[in-house]
Amino acid sequence: LAKTTQPISMDSYEGQEVNITCSHNNIATNDYITWYQQFPSQGPRFIIQGYKTKVTNEVASLFIPADRKSSTLSLPRVSLSDTAVYYCLVGDYRTGGFKTIFGAGTRLFVKA
Amino acid sequence: KAGVTQTPRYLIKTRGQQVTLSCSPISGHRSVSWYQQTPGQGLQFLFEYFSETQRNKGNFPGRFSGRQFSNSRSEMNVSTLELGDSALYLCASSLGDQMNTEAFFGQGTRLTVV
Repeated sequence: LAKTTQPISMDSYEGQEVNITCSHNNIATNDYITWYQQFPSQGPRFIIQGYKTKVTNEVASLFIPADRKSSTLSLPRVSLSDTAVYYCLVGDYRTGGFKTIFGAGTRLFVKA
Repeated sequence: KAGVTQTPRYLIKTRGQQVTLSCSPISGHRSVSWYQQTPGQGLQFLFEYFSETQRNKGNFPGRFSGRQFSNSRSEMNVSTLELGDSALYLCASSLGDQMNTEAFFGQGTRLTVV
């Protein structure tokens, strides 16, 4: 499974757009990129998943350049409740079953 | 639909004892994965079960074991508990047989070993 690198922490203010970038230089052809959000003492929650270009859902956008060696999670107009740890994961869940390796994640702190 | 249910939510055990944790996946999901989360080590993968078979395993000692039943419910067992086993244990369920699949996590079981 490809190793990922993310910033350890980020600060932002309410109403701002937050972009968290993840590096995954060894991503394989069949790998997908998935982002999870975790609040203290809760299980991670799926945010978004993509393979290439751009994916958007009701909570976030995911930008993936052509070489797929990095990806950027974009959270529009964050609020205090977006304070959490965000994990970037890369893997091919088709072969070998579901074996998700979580990195250290990015701790986002949103201030008023 | 009902989410992933883990029981119990909290547990206190003594060193040397054993413990069994339970996870009920979302209906229709055949894959259940288990994770250990500690402040120092983060989220670490324990193992994954799919259709009653262990399909993947992390780097944990043999004291950590699991199983999955025909209804996809899963249990994990930790024998001879050590203080370092104190952690939040999370399970996640997914369909398990699709290329891009979302995992749904439970609230976890907080285990404290004293």
